[in-house]
Amino acid sequence: KAGVTQTPRYLIKTRGQQVTLSCSPISGHRSVSWYQQTPGQGLQFLFEYFSETQRNKGNFPGRFSGRQFSNSRSEMNVSTLELGDSALYLCASSHPTNTEAFFGQGTRLTVV
Amino acid sequence: GEDVEQSLFLSVREGDSSVINCTYTDSSSTYLYWYKQEPGAGLQLLTYIFSNMDMKQDQRLTVLLNKKDKHLSLRIADTQTGDSAIYFCAERWAARQLTFGSGTQLTVLP
Repeated sequence: KAGVTQTPRYLIKTRGQQVTLSCSPISGHRSVSWYQQTPGQGLQFLFEYFSETQRNKGNFPGRFSGRQFSNSRSEMNVSTLELGDSALYLCASSHPTNTEAFFGQGTRLTVV
Repeated sequence: GEDVEQSLFLSVREGDSSVINCTYTDSSSTYLYWYKQEPGAGLQLLTYIFSNMDMKQDQRLTVLLNKKDKHLSLRIADTQTGDSAIYFCAERWAARQLTFGSGTQLTVLP
C-alpha cells in the first residue's frame, strides 16, 4: 500500500512569488492535514480537509490556503512568499475514523 | 490553551533502555501519539495510546500514560544506533488537529 506522497520534495522560490505544494494521501483516506515545521516554531497546524471541505484551520495568515479534490488529493498554496515561510511542509492523511495520521516525506521550501 | 512539553536532548548507550518523557495540558485529549523523525525525513508514526489506557506495549516500545499527572512516556528497550532520531509526542482531542511537543533528540552512543 503506497504511503503519503508529497511533491515536489524540494523547492526554491524568490520572495514575493507564490508556490503550490501537492499531497496524495493513502488510498481510502479522506482526511488530509498540513503542518509547517521550522526550527523556531516547531510543528504547527495549517489546515485540514475532509471530503473536499476545510474542517479545521490553524493560526496562519490568509496567504496560506488549500483545497482538496474529489480524489482526496490536496494542494496548499502560499502567495506573496516571505523569507519566514522557509520551512518543511508536511502533509498527513487519515482514515475517516481519524485515529492514526500518517505523514509524507515533506516538501522543503526555501525562500530567497 | 493546549501545550505539550518535552525535554530537548537524551543520550543513551547502545543496548540500554531509553525513556522519553512528555507532559501535556489538555485534559480532554483523546489520543496521545509518538512520532519519530530522522534527518531529512517526514514523521513516522511509532505508536499511540487512547486516553483511557495506562500502558501499551509494541515490541521494543512501551508507552505509559499517567492521566492524573498528564504525563506520557515512551520506553525503547535495547536501544540501537538506528533509534537515533528526534521523537515527538503529540496529543489530539476528538477530530481536531495534532498538537506536537518540541521534540526530543535521542542520541545513541556506541
